[in-house]
Amino acid sequence: NAGVTQTPKFQVLKTGQSMTLQCAQDMNHEYMSWYRQDPGMGLRLIHYSVGAGITDQGEVPNGYNVSRSTTEDFPLRLLSAAPSQTSVYFCASSYSPWESGRAYEQYFGPGTRLTVT
Amino acid sequence: KNEVEQSPQNLTAQEGEFITINCSYSVGISALHWLQQHPGGGIVSLFMLSSGKKKHGRLIATINIQEKHSSLHITASHPRDSAVYICAVRSPGMNAGGTSYGKLTFGQGTILTVHP
Repeated sequence: NAGVTQTPKFQVLKTGQSMTLQCAQDMNHEYMSWYRQDPGMGLRLIHYSVGAGITDQGEVPNGYNVSRSTTEDFPLRLLSAAPSQTSVYFCASSYSPWESGRAYEQYFGPGTRLTVT
Repeated sequence: KNEVEQSPQNLTAQEGEFITINCSYSVGISALHWLQQHPGGGIVSLFMLSSGKKKHGRLIATINIQEKHSSLHITASHPRDSAVYICAVRSPGMNAGGTSYGKLTFGQGTILTVHP
């Protein structure tokens, strides 16, 4: 298994440009999520999905869109990039976020370092 | 006040020392995760626990649900243990269309440096 993959690893955008960060997992995980990591802030949840066709907002969703058309893929779209979106972005997945009193391990992708100038 | 607080924020140790990183949280949880992030950025799950204690090699994680506190211990520390250690708690979640899910809230991380 490749686990959780993310592309690109690095990206530089100009203010106002749009782009899509790709995330894929080959573990048949139901739950996928996007986080951003900023110095001194810890990881913060942007959007998440509990299955194909189901997405919801996290803690910091503004400026980002997601969709989940397949179990495997969960792309994150930046609609109009702003310098405040300069960050490291992590995609994560788990078999089930929570089921019948059990919690499952979270698997992280390698991250995408995005700079918006 | 953050829902998840880690201490210390920075920790420097000599090779061989016993290390403890603490995590306190203020909300009800279903599970607590300890994660490791190496320079270069990848994040790896070390432990997931909801009670008691878990051990993996030189790493030990404990949790006290009543006190809302967890510790990560590293015995016989080594320079390759140098990394950022992150505590994350999963909320109990709620039902949505028959599926329950819980949000992860992360601490700010503890930067560990182990010198030879």
